[in-house]
Amino acid sequence: NAGVTQTPKFRILKIGQSMTLQCTQDMNHNYMYWYRQDPGMGLKLIYYSVGAGITDKGEVPNGYNVSRSTTEDFPLRLELAAPSQTSVYFCASGVGPLFFGSGTQLSVL
Amino acid sequence: KNQVEQSPQSLIILEGKNCTLQCNYTVSPFSNLRWYKQDTGRGPVSLTIMTFSENTKSNGRYTATLDADTKQSSLHITASQLSDSASYICVVSAPGSARQLTFGSGTQLTVLP
Repeated sequence: NAGVTQTPKFRILKIGQSMTLQCTQDMNHNYMYWYRQDPGMGLKLIYYSVGAGITDKGEVPNGYNVSRSTTEDFPLRLELAAPSQTSVYFCASGVGPLFFGSGTQLSVL
Repeated sequence: KNQVEQSPQSLIILEGKNCTLQCNYTVSPFSNLRWYKQDTGRGPVSLTIMTFSENTKSNGRYTATLDADTKQSSLHITASQLSDSASYICVVSAPGSARQLTFGSGTQLTVLP
């Protein structure tokens, strides 16, 4: 009964480095999302996907890229990490109630 | 601009007491309103979803109310438990694409023994 699985849980990057945040869901949901959560702020949508091969930008997509080659996987790519990308990242799936992963805490120093 | 405002920002209560959290929104048009519970270090977990035609919805000791006319919602927690300590997030959905969710910043509830 895994639900939405995110890896890694924690990561420290240096400015300019790149990394991929992994997200997998086993509920056969077509809709998947990436959010970031900054202290004292509501979650902000980065990218979302309505099915394999289909992705679209959310509210704060700059500096990120996504791909959706399968229904299960929705990785988020950070290129040229910047301090402004220090945040907690959540992957989610679903349409009515969203099912969230446990998050990735990312620090860019 | 669509906004969701929650109050209070933080709340401390004693175990066994009741409490009510507030959510005001400006999202229009409106599709549904959701309450999530987020434990520290975890992702949010859905508590309730209400459409504009629903005034109240319960999930165990959690009862959400909605007044779509005044654009207000509340989450009432009855007989609080230590495990209720968490952030409670109000989310309002507009009709249309999957991007149409506006998240509040949450109310941090602490339940003390």
